[in-house]
Amino acid sequence: DIQMTQSPSSLSASVGDRVTIICRASQGVSRFLNWFQVKPGKAPKLLIYGASSLPSGVPSRFIGTESGTEFTLTISNLQPEDFATYYCQQSYSVPYSFGQGTNLEIK
Amino acid sequence: QVQLQQSGPGLVRPSQTLSLTCVISGDRVSSLTGAWTWIRQSPLRGLEWLGRTYFRSRWVIDYGVSVRGRIIINADTSKNQFSLQLKSVTREDTAVYYCAGETLGRGLDPWGQGTLVSVSS
Repeated sequence: DIQMTQSPSSLSASVGDRVTIICRASQGVSRFLNWFQVKPGKAPKLLIYGASSLPSGVPSRFIGTESGTEFTLTISNLQPEDFATYYCQQSYSVPYSFGQGTNLEIK
Repeated sequence: QVQLQQSGPGLVRPSQTLSLTCVISGDRVSSLTGAWTWIRQSPLRGLEWLGRTYFRSRWVIDYGVSVRGRIIINADTSKNQFSLQLKSVTREDTAVYYCAGETLGRGLDPWGQGTLVSVSS
């Protein structure tokens, strides 16, 4: 089974900052890597699929990149609504697996 | 636009079976490009992939590691829905349970509204 390791587990930043979250897969997942945003009391929201593709309606300040088994989510120009928990997920092979999550807090 | 509506009890007794249903609108559970998934979220474990079902020339069901042996996922084409049963629950199964759809390769979207299931006597 594929293990996903996210870092950092928590992060403090200010509105307008740029932040980066890293997700490493224990083995190759091709580009089958997705990112989700989770806010309290709401269903997770798909931010990025296929490592770097944005679903319709997701702002372009969310950027996903891939380098081998390391994937990065960069959020530029942080907005107040971006403070949430972020998860990566591999959809390359079952059982699909999520990272442990990164809690992005306001500094 | 695909939408998912979950239903099921919010309280389950220990050792009993948790049962949830997810009704699909805007697509068919037997879609040849879709897959239908159950996920749960808890403070301790974060997001956890429980399993999925989809139809190609036959029904395929995959289960997550942590619940394998206790979980059953079924699809009901007559009601256009899929369901989750989790047997022999313990307090560790307390979580918010979500259903979600996936067009393969395009991530989990949409999601149901979530159901908080508490396991307590």
